[in-house]
Amino acid sequence: DQQVKQNSPSLSVQEGRISILNCDYTNSMFDYFLWYKKYPAEGPTFLISISSIKDKNEDGRFTVFLNKSAKHLSLHIVPSQPGDSAVYFCAASLLGGGSQGNLIFGKGTKLSVKP
Amino acid sequence: EPEVTQTPSHQVTQMGQEVILRCVPISNHLYFYWYRQILGQKVEFLVSFYNNEISEKSEIFDDQFSVERPDGSNFTLKIRSTKLEDSAMYFCASRGLPLETQYFGPGTRLLVL
Repeated sequence: DQQVKQNSPSLSVQEGRISILNCDYTNSMFDYFLWYKKYPAEGPTFLISISSIKDKNEDGRFTVFLNKSAKHLSLHIVPSQPGDSAVYFCAASLLGGGSQGNLIFGKGTKLSVKP
Repeated sequence: EPEVTQTPSHQVTQMGQEVILRCVPISNHLYFYWYRQILGQKVEFLVSFYNNEISEKSEIFDDQFSVERPDGSNFTLKIRSTKLEDSAMYFCASRGLPLETQYFGPGTRLLVL
């Protein structure tokens, strides 16, 4: 039962171009979504988040888009840099209704940015 | 910048032994979590802890697992009798109010032989 799905296990992009990572979810009750970046043998590092009341959030080179009707979110990285090469995890949580905000993760997408 | 810390970074143990994984969350945070990631799989929620008690737990978090906040800074995960399938990276995370972002520690790699 995958509530959060990242259907692309890997993505390869040329330096300077746009990277688009996609994520789908099934539970319409999720109200907060996050993207984490992870290197091997390290903990997930928070990148950017978006509340369900918004459809876009931007932070520097990173933009997250949320399409609630399609239960889909995406992370855009522009321009992509070799240092962005890592595994990117999409996560969803339920913060309302007394929930403790436990994160449900996707399986991750390994991004490779080639110089 | 405040960060979540975890010790040890690596732990090797024999099946059936008890292990305690330690975490120091960010100091003004109120919500604490444990997650694990089995090699090649996704990060999975284990347990959340708030106001000195477990608030939610997953089906993975059975009677072999327990959590404790023994003092004002540490947050521990105990596995009473380890099994081979407990081998994984264990991550601690914390979240403060009104912030909604969980910040993760570097993880403890547990290997059960």
